[in-house]
Amino acid sequence: IQMTQSPSTLSASVGERVTITCRASQSISSWLAWYQQKPGKAPKLLIYKASSLQSGVPSRFSGSGSGTEFTLTISSLQPDDFATYYCQQYNSYSEYTFGQGTKLEIK
Amino acid sequence: QVQLVQSGAEVKKPGASVKVSCKASGYTFTDYYIHWVRQAPGQGLEWMGWSNPNSGGTNYAQKFQGRVTMTRDTSISTAFMELSRLTSDDTAVYYCARAIILRTNTLADYWGQGTLVIVSS
Repeated sequence: IQMTQSPSTLSASVGERVTITCRASQSISSWLAWYQQKPGKAPKLLIYKASSLQSGVPSRFSGSGSGTEFTLTISSLQPDDFATYYCQQYNSYSEYTFGQGTKLEIK
Repeated sequence: QVQLVQSGAEVKKPGASVKVSCKASGYTFTDYYIHWVRQAPGQGLEWMGWSNPNSGGTNYAQKFQGRVTMTRDTSISTAFMELSRLTSDDTAVYYCARAIILRTNTLADYWGQGTLVIVSS
């Protein structure tokens, strides 16, 4: 299963609402996770099962979608949100695929 | 609190092997899988496989089959990932991650800090 994220880079300002899209090459039901990664750090789980917020993650993060198309939305960007975001499908025990990543930059 | 502490950076020559460790604490080691993911410099995340600390079972991404071995030592709550026949393309940060066991799949929630492996002659 191939995962394609868009855009690859996104420039936005503090307070803006942003959306990142992830498309799967075949249906993965709702088995999609979103991770945030900052430079030199490990990824952090934000969203699982397409729309469930991981404990401790701010409510400005939300996820939606099912089947092959998914989105991650940040409702009002904060300075701490500038990072790279990855989607990952976990549709089965045997294969896990990440998207290529979306770098969120300060405009 | 859940912690995964990985071994330190390694420098290896082409053709050699590397073994990375991942020591778990703050949870029952055998109740969760361990995933291994790597990230080449400036690149994205690449899933390598998982190991089941309870049974010792493993599942490897096709790309790494025949070259990777994932093991564990439950007495010290530590998982290991060994990669052989290294080339410069294997230069990357290697992460372990704890994975929740679901009915038909697993989900990585907590990650180690990463181990840099440099392959250079």
